[in-house]
Amino acid sequence: TQLLEQSPQFLSIQEGENLTVYCNSSSVFSSLQWYRQEPGEGPVLLVTVVTGGEVKKLKRLTFQFGDARKDSSLHITAAQTGDTGLYLCAGAGDSNYQLIWGAGTKLIIKP
Amino acid sequence: DTGVSQNPRHKITKRGQNVTFRCDPISEHNRLYWYRQTLGQGPEFLTYFQNEAQLEKSRLLSDRFSAERPKGSFSTLEIQRTEQGDSAMYLCASSVGNSRDEQYFGPGTRLTVT
Repeated sequence: TQLLEQSPQFLSIQEGENLTVYCNSSSVFSSLQWYRQEPGEGPVLLVTVVTGGEVKKLKRLTFQFGDARKDSSLHITAAQTGDTGLYLCAGAGDSNYQLIWGAGTKLIIKP
Repeated sequence: DTGVSQNPRHKITKRGQNVTFRCDPISEHNRLYWYRQTLGQGPEFLTYFQNEAQLEKSRLLSDRFSAERPKGSFSTLEIQRTEQGDSAMYLCASSVGNSRDEQYFGPGTRLTVT
């Protein structure tokens, strides 16, 4: 059974600080996606990483896929209150239909 | 195209009643997924369709749950004889169906069973 573990589960920091969220597994994924979800809404796809070692940037967000394609990280520089939300990672694994989901990191950015 | 839509957004029902939710996917997407999500958790897979065929159903899914996707367009999820434990956010997502399987979610239906 493939599992994705996210850490930390909860993070509360001041606006302007930097942070990193991790998504780890013992399994290899063909691709990994990061989503952000706000209360009462569905997850919104932020990025997909496919190649081991790949780094993608989305404004102040930097996503990295591990060399072995078993883990990923999301780094936010100079966090803003608008970054508040639940960050979810999901990996495309053995099956061709079912994403393996992490439990999420709840991020709160305080003004 | 405005993305995935779901109706209703909120549903309050009494225990024992039946409820039905609707999902309209992005029109070019041939895959459609249903998930359930409880507070602070990631989405839990319920079932998925490739066009009109329901190809997989979670083993965790009770017989009270049924989903359809007639004509491969919109989908409905019905819960019969609702229980308080069914209270959750029900999410629908659609995808093109390639190897990356990037899924696009609707806003969800929040179900409260009293």
